[in-house]
Amino acid sequence: QSVLTQPPSASGTPGQRVTISCSGSSSNIGSNTVNWYQQLPGTAPKLLIYSNNQRPSGVPDRFSGSKSGTSASLAISGLQSEDEADYYCAAWDDSLNGFWVFGGGTKLTVL
Amino acid sequence: QLQLQESGPGLVKPSETLSLTCTVSGGSISSDSYYWGWIRQPPGKGLEWIGSIYYSGSTYYNPSLKSRVTISVDTSKNQFSLKLSSVTAADTAVYYCARRDTVATLAFDPWGQGTLVTVSS
Repeated sequence: QSVLTQPPSASGTPGQRVTISCSGSSSNIGSNTVNWYQQLPGTAPKLLIYSNNQRPSGVPDRFSGSKSGTSASLAISGLQSEDEADYYCAAWDDSLNGFWVFGGGTKLTVL
Repeated sequence: QLQLQESGPGLVKPSETLSLTCTVSGGSISSDSYYWGWIRQPPGKGLEWIGSIYYSGSTYYNPSLKSRVTISVDTSKNQFSLKLSSVTAADTAVYYCARRDTVATLAFDPWGQGTLVTVSS
């Protein structure tokens, strides 16, 4: 069981807007920033969003992140076929001297 | 451009110790702006952080693995290493090494390509 909770799957058609949620607690999302990673099939994860809503250089502005309380969300607008991937949220957890926690991942299918 | 590359045996017997090395190229492991970490992913499952190390040797580990994990750094070789003892089939996973930015993003970026380690007799 992952510390952060994500829906196992999500889907949308090209051009649509989809959102992926990530639920945590006061010791992780509630008190620290959230990062999102994209994992294309057969590849290593890649940083997609950091500090809740910041995009690294090269990430399209179709990807956006937000955080409220102990939950965070990743939104993808103008969905494209190449967005089909697994998406993971992550945050630092302050309990037990601190450790990094990930969500279980959401598999996004572009229909 | 910074690159990380994992290396080590792809097959480890149960109860033995898993040993992997991450070689960093295109940048120095001795930068004071970064930690260096190990993350694993069992087949078909999600990501699990194993632990991280600073170039000075300071470490912190996932509490669930702490009793079996040792991460070390060799700045002369620009490498850091993972040892996981008393492995079982549950430790079968793709193991990734990654850099964690402590100043700007506070995130793991970039990641190595990953190496699959299978625990089996």
